This record gives sequence, C-alpha cells and structure tokens, in this order.
Amino acid sequence: GEDVEQSLFLSVREGDSSVINCTYTDSSSTYLYWYKQEPGAGLQLLTYIFSNMDMKQDQRLTVLLNKKDKHLSLRIADTQTGDSAIYFCAESTKAAGNKLTFGGGTRVLVKP
Amino acid sequence: GAVVSQHPSWVICKSGTSVKIECRSLDFQATTMFWYRQFPKQSLMLMATSNEGSKATYEQGVEKDKFLINHASLTLSTLTVTSAHPEDSSFYICSARDGRRAYNEQFFGPGTRLTVL
Repeated sequence: GEDVEQSLFLSVREGDSSVINCTYTDSSSTYLYWYKQEPGAGLQLLTYIFSNMDMKQDQRLTVLLNKKDKHLSLRIADTQTGDSAIYFCAESTKAAGNKLTFGGGTRVLVKP
Repeated sequence: GAVVSQHPSWVICKSGTSVKIECRSLDFQATTMFWYRQFPKQSLMLMATSNEGSKATYEQGVEKDKFLINHASLTLSTLTVTSAHPEDSSFYICSARDGRRAYNEQFFGPGTRLTVL
C-alpha cells in the first residue's frame, strides 16, 4: 500500500526559509499535496502539484517534486510566525479512487 | 467558496451513548464526502468514503456498525458513533469533493472533538 513519510519537527527563525521534506512510495501517485493544520482546526490546502511537474511556485511557496526519488518538498520563503503549524503532505492515485494518503505531519515552529 | 462546516465543533458524552456529527458543504454540491479520524499529534486516518445516495465504503479495520455514515443529500453527510467508549475519543474531520471540478481537491471541515467519559 501507499506510505508517506515526513520528519516530525522543524524549527526556523522568522524571516528565514523553511524546507519541509516528504517521501512517498507509490510511483503511480497522480497528485501530491501540502496541507496546513493550525491547532484545533481542520486542514487547509496550501498547494498541490501534478505528478508530471517538477516544480510549482505560488507566492512564498515553492514545491519541488523529484519523481525518480519519490521526494517532495515545500519551501516557505520569508517564514512568518503565522506559519507555525503542522504541515501534512499527501498523495492520491487514480487506482485508489483518488483517496488521500497523508504523511505523519511536520510541526513547524517559527521563532521570532 | 468551497466551505465545509461541521457540527458540533466539540462534544462530551457518557460511555455507551451515541453521538451524531454533521458535515455540510455550504456553497457547493459534494458528490463525495470523506470521514477522517485524527489522534493527538498524529496524522489523519481515512475511516470511510461516502457517495450521495449510496452506502459508504469503509477502510479496513473500521467497524461499519459502530461508525454509521449517512450521505442523504449532496450537501450533508453524518457520522454517528454508536455506543461510544473512551477509546473513541478523537478529533473527527470530514472533507468534501466538489463534483463539478475536474481537479481532485477535497475541502476540509474544521473538525469535531469527541470526548467520551
């Protein structure tokens, strides 16, 4: 079955760049996603990338996909205290009915 | 647009009682809704997928008689936790897919925290 893994924790200083990494096992993944979850809240979709793309940039967010290594990363430029949250990567495949499989989440703490 | 609400946002109940959680898509029709469970400091685990007008599809290990799912309309799905026990205490999150969009995006509700005493 699918497996998605992330590092547990990242600490970064305000104004620096954050890079959150994710690895996945299913080579037939169609879409890969990054979600943000603030305490006690649901998930907010930050960005997604189609599996035939290498990079996607959206304002402060840059997603890099290395399909050969099954590695996905999210870079947040000029990290702000409001970026402190848990970030989940997820993948979906057509064969699995486009269900989302989530990683364990990376807790990002932004220090002033 | 694409707002999903859940009600209640939190609930405390006694062991043995049943609790119903509602998930509504407020400004779109959700052909498919998903129910997830999240334990503290853990990831989301998909419990079941429900399509409007048909029976829900449960993930392996999820008891369908304990977690009753009804998706009676294109804007409402309910999850009923029957005969709740303390181990059912968790954060339950629903999501909904807009059937008109070609892209497979799920819009998430804010979650319902269930505490069973």
